[in-house]
Amino acid sequence: EAGVTQFPSHSVIEKGQTVTLRCDPISGHDNLYWYRRVMGKEIKFLLHFVKESKQDESGMPNNRFLAERTGGTYSTLKVQPAELEDSGVYFCASSQWVSSYNEQFFGPGTRLTVL
Amino acid sequence: AQSVTQLGSHVSVSEGALVLLRCNYSSSVPPYLFWYVQYPNQGLQLLLKYTSAATLVKGINGFEAEFKKSETSFHLTKPSAHMSDAAEYFCAVSDSSASKIIFGSGTRLSIRP
Repeated sequence: EAGVTQFPSHSVIEKGQTVTLRCDPISGHDNLYWYRRVMGKEIKFLLHFVKESKQDESGMPNNRFLAERTGGTYSTLKVQPAELEDSGVYFCASSQWVSSYNEQFFGPGTRLTVL
Repeated sequence: AQSVTQLGSHVSVSEGALVLLRCNYSSSVPPYLFWYVQYPNQGLQLLLKYTSAATLVKGINGFEAEFKKSETSFHLTKPSAHMSDAAEYFCAVSDSSASKIIFGSGTRLSIRP
């Protein structure tokens, strides 16, 4: 069974440009999460989808970030326009159920560098 | 609100030595705790999780962690380090809403030959 996949693995863009990150969850997982790790800091939650609906987007830093999950399958995270402080590693995770002890399966991450 | 604190951003041990990575948690409700590992160029992988069934939790690759409520700790140990254990380790707690995982700042483990 394929795990969570993310594309691209690396992205280098100029400040002010737009970047779109993609996440494909494990097949059958209704729950999809985005996290990010800014250099030297903790991995922080961005948002949680249940199927195509945003269940919790309390971690989204500002309105330059837009996450979508049309059809409840893969998800995209768009940053427009990108700023220097957006650099970091963006992780996607998925889970079958929502519960405090349910494991979230993580992808390898997308490393975003904004110059 | 739940939180975890990892003591030591970098730990170095000799091959064959005991590995001890420290984690303390803060939680207003019984916590669900996790240790994740990130090997170079890979994603986060679950090592083990505490769900109140047993205080000593065994995980993959010979790692285990003990939940100590009196000390609010969930330290990760392995009796004998192997070169392949070199990675970054994250202690984490599940948010009470179950919507998100809250991570510690990570501990990078290096193994000396």
